[in-house]
Amino acid sequence: KNEVEQSPQNLTAQEGEFITINCSYSVGISALHWLQQHPGGGIVSLFMLSSGKKKHGRLIATINIQEKHSSLHITASHPRDSAVYICAVEFYGQNFVFGPGTRLSVLP
Amino acid sequence: EPEVTQTPSHQVTQMGQEVILRCVPISNHLYFYWYRQILGQKVEFLVSFYNNEISEKSEIFDDQFSVERPDGSNFTLKIRSTKLEDSAMYFCASSEIGGSYNEQFFGPGTRLTVL
Repeated sequence: KNEVEQSPQNLTAQEGEFITINCSYSVGISALHWLQQHPGGGIVSLFMLSSGKKKHGRLIATINIQEKHSSLHITASHPRDSAVYICAVEFYGQNFVFGPGTRLSVLP
Repeated sequence: EPEVTQTPSHQVTQMGQEVILRCVPISNHLYFYWYRQILGQKVEFLVSFYNNEISEKSEIFDDQFSVERPDGSNFTLKIRSTKLEDSAMYFCASSEIGGSYNEQFFGPGTRLTVL
């Protein structure tokens, strides 16, 4: 069964800290997405990647295809970054399989 | 900036009743999706839709579910006879084209409560 795991499950950080959220998956994929779910429930797509690294503002996403692993980094974290971060994977020939999410709280 | 919209934001219904959840995808998008998230659980794929037909569906999407694009703008999810376990947040999404490497844009969700 194709699985997506994330760690940590919950993360509390102080404002300004560098944050890393990890995602691992079981078999080969065609693409990996990082999503942000706001406290109200809405979902926003942050990154879509199939190799290498992408950067958008304070957010950086990397993927290592050989190790079946991706990381989402947040530099200079801010309380407004508090949300659930979800890794969603497109296994070959399938639609999204979602990870369980990492709940991030950034304290002022 | 174009966005996906969903109505209603919250729907309360009695078990056994039919509900229709509505979505308006981004206007130039061709692929449409429904997802569900039971409280405290992962988001789960339900169905994808292209060219007026279902392109893929999950095990969850059984005979009580159906989707339709009744006109040029709306995309609906119908649950024929709701069960308590259908209580969840339902998200609609759309993308310009299908397949990998294409960003999906999510709506704000409809919270369905079945009593």
